[in-house]
Amino acid sequence: EVQLVESGGGLVQPGGSLRLSCAASGFTFSSYCMHWVRQVPGKGLVWVSRINRDGSSTTYADSVRGRFTISRDNAKNTLYLEMNSLRAEDTAVYYCASGKGANVHFDYWGQGNLVTVSS
Amino acid sequence: DIVMTQSPDSLAVSLGERATINCKSSQNVLYSSNNKNYLAWYQQKPGQPPKLLIYWASTRESGVPDRFSGSGSGTDFTLTISSLQAEDVAVYYCQHYYSTPFTFGQGTRLEIE
Repeated sequence: EVQLVESGGGLVQPGGSLRLSCAASGFTFSSYCMHWVRQVPGKGLVWVSRINRDGSSTTYADSVRGRFTISRDNAKNTLYLEMNSLRAEDTAVYYCASGKGANVHFDYWGQGNLVTVSS
Repeated sequence: DIVMTQSPDSLAVSLGERATINCKSSQNVLYSSNNKNYLAWYQQKPGQPPKLLIYWASTRESGVPDRFSGSGSGTDFTLTISSLQAEDVAVYYCQHYYSTPFTFGQGTRLEIE
């Protein structure tokens, strides 16, 4: 069974940092590109970042470029999102998602992890 | 960036009736070299992550009931539920994956009338 399990979310003050993790199982993690997508509760889905299969190429939404860093450890089947200089508008549920290629649909999604940026 | 616009924002349909959701992209998402439309549809129920329904605009994901179908090409796409079931109550999103950023539509809330 395919599973993507996010962790690391929580409450952080504006300007603070947080690292999200996404542990993958049930599929060949290293064969998939991985993404982070966020959703403000009650609002729509927003793509955040993508990393290719071996971690050599990353892409970001303008809203997070320079503050967030996506990475992966294929030996540990884990995806990461390092979030720095957090702002109130970064408050959202963060989902990790997988795609079998760089420009393909997202076939598996994690359950989501809430990040709240507030003083 | 490619902007995805869905219509309507919300929709109420009687059980057993057809539901139709539209999605329009601000740019063509048909890649001419492979003749594929880089568009997907997702279903999201309350408290759950999105679930892939349709990809390449018209290919149904494995396990998705055949009452769900996708159509369209270029910039105009449609998700159709041929006979609405109670379990189809959800928010539906279209998404392009033609180029980053992979933007989503604003979502269409589907309810039972």
